[in-house]
Amino acid sequence: DVKVTQSSRYLVKRTGEKVFLECVQDMDHENMFWYRQDPGLGLRLIYFSYDVKMKEKGDIPEGYSVSREKKERFSLILESASTNQTSMYLCASTAWGEADSGNTIYFGEGSWLTVV
Amino acid sequence: GDSVTQMEGPVTLSEEAFLTINCTYTATGYPSLFWYVQYPGEGLQLLLKATKADDKGSNKGFEATYRKETTSFHLEKGSVQVSDSAVYFCALGGNTNAGKSTFGDGTTLTVKP
Repeated sequence: DVKVTQSSRYLVKRTGEKVFLECVQDMDHENMFWYRQDPGLGLRLIYFSYDVKMKEKGDIPEGYSVSREKKERFSLILESASTNQTSMYLCASTAWGEADSGNTIYFGEGSWLTVV
Repeated sequence: GDSVTQMEGPVTLSEEAFLTINCTYTATGYPSLFWYVQYPGEGLQLLLKATKADDKGSNKGFEATYRKETTSFHLEKGSVQVSDSAVYFCALGGNTNAGKSTFGDGTTLTVKP
């Protein structure tokens, strides 16, 4: 069974703390993503990576960074957490393929982060 | 750029009612189309997909047909159950090899017994 695992389901952090959200996939996928999900705003892409050590900004990268040192692991870093980063964070992965190849995106269960 | 417009929610239905959630898209080329479902407290998972015009995707009693002429991919189910209560997302497949997809805003469905 394919799996995207997010290390923490629920976190509570203080303003100004450095926060790491970890994601591991076991499908040997090249592409990995971090999304943020907020009520009424749908899914917003923060960063994505199409290869080890490669990263691209998504739609809302400000206040975030990422790390991909190994193919199976993609980390989201909040350098200095703020209350407006309280949200649900979703990691996802998909195989590299031809454009419009119809590759399914696989999601983790989400990490609920509260910044107080 | 690519975009997806979904029917606004929330949608509330009684059990065994017919469901339609509208989805239209704007895209260059001929993208694959997807419906993902998110059950309470979980991540998204694939419900069904179609990779070319006139294809019908189906799963768990849900269906959607890729209509190029109307740029639509409406989700339908003939008889919904309480367990279908979830958020449904329409999505365009990535138009690059990196697979970056475009998602609609999601439609919340509540089915009452």
